Amino acid sequence: NAGVTQTPKFQVLKTGQSMTLQCAQDMNHEYMSWYRQDPGMGLRLIHYSVGAGITDQGEVPNGYNVSRSTTEDFPLRLLSAAPSQTSVYFCASSYESERFPYEQYFGPGTRLTVT
Amino acid sequence: KNQVEQSPQSLIILEGKNCTLQCNYTVSPFSNLRWYKQDTGRGPVSLTIMTFSENTKSNGRYTATLDADTKQSSLHITASQLSDSASYICVVSARDSNYQLIWGAGTKLIIKP
Repeated sequence: NAGVTQTPKFQVLKTGQSMTLQCAQDMNHEYMSWYRQDPGMGLRLIHYSVGAGITDQGEVPNGYNVSRSTTEDFPLRLLSAAPSQTSVYFCASSYESERFPYEQYFGPGTRLTVT
Repeated sequence: KNQVEQSPQSLIILEGKNCTLQCNYTVSPFSNLRWYKQDTGRGPVSLTIMTFSENTKSNGRYTATLDADTKQSSLHITASQLSDSASYICVVSARDSNYQLIWGAGTKLIIKP
């Protein structure tokens, strides 16, 4: 199993550009989520999905869109990049939502810089 | 407000020594508490998950404790190795707010030879 994969590993964008961060998992997990990690802060939830066709907002959703057309894939779209979106982005998957204490598996992250 | 605070922010110890990392939380109502290890440039990896009824849980040289009354947890690392150098993150799940996870900022541990 590859686990959770993310592409690209690094990305530099200019302000106003759009892009999609890719996330895929091969563990047949229903629950997937996107986080951002900024220096000195805990991970913050951007969007999550409890299954194909179902998505919801997390703590910091503004400026990001998601969709979940298949169980495996959960892309994150930046609509119009801003310097405040400079961060490391992690995708995670789990059998169930955080209601149940199932282990979450994280991808290797995408380091995004917006100039 | 639901919060998770970890101490110390950073810690340097010699290889072979033991150490204990602390986590205090104000999350209520409590669902479960997790400890993650995050190597530099990598995603977090789960070490333990503890529910309300569990006081102690071990994973190799890592032992986590939970005191739900005082809302404190600790992660004890025994006989540290160079590969233990990483950030250790405490995460608490609340039974409301859709059970979303509240993440601590982490303790950065450096093991010196």
